[in-house]
Amino acid sequence: DAEITQSPRHKITETGRQVTLACHQTWNHNNMFWYRQDLGHGLRLIHYSYGVQDTNKGEVSDGYSVSRSNTEDLPLTLESAASSQTSVYFCATSGGASGSHYEQYFGPGTRLTVT
Amino acid sequence: KQEVTQIPAALSVPEGENLVLNCSFTDSAIYNLQWFRQDPGKGLTSLLLIQSSQREQTSGRLNASLDKSSGRSTLYIAASQPGDSATYLCAVSQPLYNFNKFYFGSGTKLNVKP
Repeated sequence: DAEITQSPRHKITETGRQVTLACHQTWNHNNMFWYRQDLGHGLRLIHYSYGVQDTNKGEVSDGYSVSRSNTEDLPLTLESAASSQTSVYFCATSGGASGSHYEQYFGPGTRLTVT
Repeated sequence: KQEVTQIPAALSVPEGENLVLNCSFTDSAIYNLQWFRQDPGKGLTSLLLIQSSQREQTSGRLNASLDKSSGRSTLYIAASQPGDSATYLCAVSQPLYNFNKFYFGSGTKLNVKP
């Protein structure tokens, strides 16, 4: 069965360190997304990608970057981790082009703690 | 900007009861409305997707309806079970340039008591 995997599932890091969260999908979907989920804010979009070499900023992109070198992977990098980036991070995918009726599928999440 | 609201924020019911979860959105120009289930410490599991041209979708004991003109959707759960306890989120998608942007509600936390 197709799936989305995220690693690590839990991560504790120190302020100022660079951290990379991995997302790998076997849906063969063009569209990939990174969200963070926080109490009181719900799910917020960090970055998204329509395909290889395409990346775009979401509503809370400051301090984060992504790159897309193949269809399957969209790693999320925190350039210099801050305590405000302590959160649960979800990767998601969807098929189709803009205007399509394709649904989103989510990975299991990565819980990141910045101390 | 699209705003998605879910009421109530939390709901506790005895096992066997039929229940309705509500989702409202401010801009009716949507492509889809999707209902998700989230268990503690887990990701979101897609339950139902309603396209903008549809009025409802059913899957087992779940029925979701969509009234786009009034900006409302309901998720009906029949004969609730303790295993239905989870947080339920709704999300709508809208076009943004060449991208489908998804807007999420904050969820309804459901507790079904045995």
